[in-house]
Amino acid sequence: GDSVTQMEGPVTLSEEAFLTINCTYTATGYPSLFWYVQYPGEGLQLLLKATKADDKGSNKGFEATYRKETTSFHLEKGSVQVSDSAVYFCALGSYNTDKLIFGTGTRLQVFP
Amino acid sequence: KAGVTQTPRYLIKTRGQQVTLSCSPISGHRSVSWYQQTPGQGLQFLFEYFSETQRNKGNFPGRFSGRQFSNSRSEMNVSTLELGDSALYLCASFLDRTQPDTQYFGPGTRLTVL
Repeated sequence: GDSVTQMEGPVTLSEEAFLTINCTYTATGYPSLFWYVQYPGEGLQLLLKATKADDKGSNKGFEATYRKETTSFHLEKGSVQVSDSAVYFCALGSYNTDKLIFGTGTRLQVFP
Repeated sequence: KAGVTQTPRYLIKTRGQQVTLSCSPISGHRSVSWYQQTPGQGLQFLFEYFSETQRNKGNFPGRFSGRQFSNSRSEMNVSTLELGDSALYLCASFLDRTQPDTQYFGPGTRLTVL
């Protein structure tokens, strides 16, 4: 079945460092891919999405490109801030079902 | 436009009790999904409703049930609570099923079972 694999956390960075969180997926058909972020004590917020191969989603300095050839959707940010500290979830949505399949989440900790 | 709202935000129950959680989707959204989030299992899909009909169901026991009303508001019910039901329950709403659409999440209801 469909699945999402995310890199283990926590990821610990200093402010202004470059961020990469790896995400790969297995899916039949042509899924849409999402990154959600969860701040402490809150629900999930959509960070960015891509609906087809080679699409690039971007928001708040974060970017991810839908790579069909490598089945990946890695999240990147050029310069992280302390306020980016949160848990990041990669997710897949397919035509066959309305449920989102989530990765296990990656905790990001950014220190001043 | 108001976001997804969930009530209550926090609940404390004891084993054997039942609980009902409520979710109001974004205005105009007709689909509602429910997810359970726990430290051990992560985010797991419970069920999804569209126009008062359950369209999809995850792998949870029959103690977990839900429904949707004509105004798209949804409730989920858990009967005979167990300690393992302690979790954050998230509701998401989206517009349509014609494509893998963006789901917008509420803040969640944190259920603690003692």
